Amino acid sequence: AQKITQTQPGMFVQEKEAVTLDCTYDTSDQSYGLFWYKQPSSGEMIFLIYQGSYDEQNATEGRYSLNFQKARKSANLVISASQLGDSAMYFCAMRTRTSYGKLTFGQGTILTVHP
Amino acid sequence: ETGVTQTPRHLVMGMTNKKSLKCEQHLGHNAMYWYKQSAKKPLELMFVYSLEERVENNSVPSRFSPECPNSSHLFLHLHTLQPEDSALYLCASSPSEGTLSYNEQFFGPGTRLTVL
Repeated sequence: AQKITQTQPGMFVQEKEAVTLDCTYDTSDQSYGLFWYKQPSSGEMIFLIYQGSYDEQNATEGRYSLNFQKARKSANLVISASQLGDSAMYFCAMRTRTSYGKLTFGQGTILTVHP
Repeated sequence: ETGVTQTPRHLVMGMTNKKSLKCEQHLGHNAMYWYKQSAKKPLELMFVYSLEERVENNSVPSRFSPECPNSSHLFLHLHTLQPEDSALYLCASSPSEGTLSYNEQFFGPGTRLTVL
């Protein structure tokens, strides 16, 4: 079985500062993918970044980077230069080779960016 | 239209009503998904369709009945729901469902369902 844990129910950050959102995962599969999604108050889930278990380098997409520590089974999201529009719920998710497309999601972290 | 669309965006229904949620994807994907998002809970996968065939059903009550007439459309038929079924229902699609390669799921905006 797969499990995603996000231990921060809420996070606050000052505009233009960087923030790290924590995610740990558990799976017995050797081959898996890790995803981060952003969900604004409108409800839509917006894909941010992907990391494959065999990727040797940490994924980056613009202001988003994924701090992948395989031995610790952690996949933290780092948002640099926070903007007011970054205020939203953030979900970490995982799929494995045997999960047939199923994404397992964490509980989410609400990020609030202060001006 | 582009991406994944869902209608209606909001739905209020009584426990004896029958309604349907519609999802349409314009991405040429082969797999489609229904998720349920309840307050303070992680997203729960309900159904997976690949090439119009259901490949996963996560022990969802029979009052939820999915239908996938073609690879672009997915429906969720609702009947005799309970108040605890009130949630945000999200549809997603992906290029395929069985491979692990970079295969992000694209989500629609969701239908906010309230059962009275």
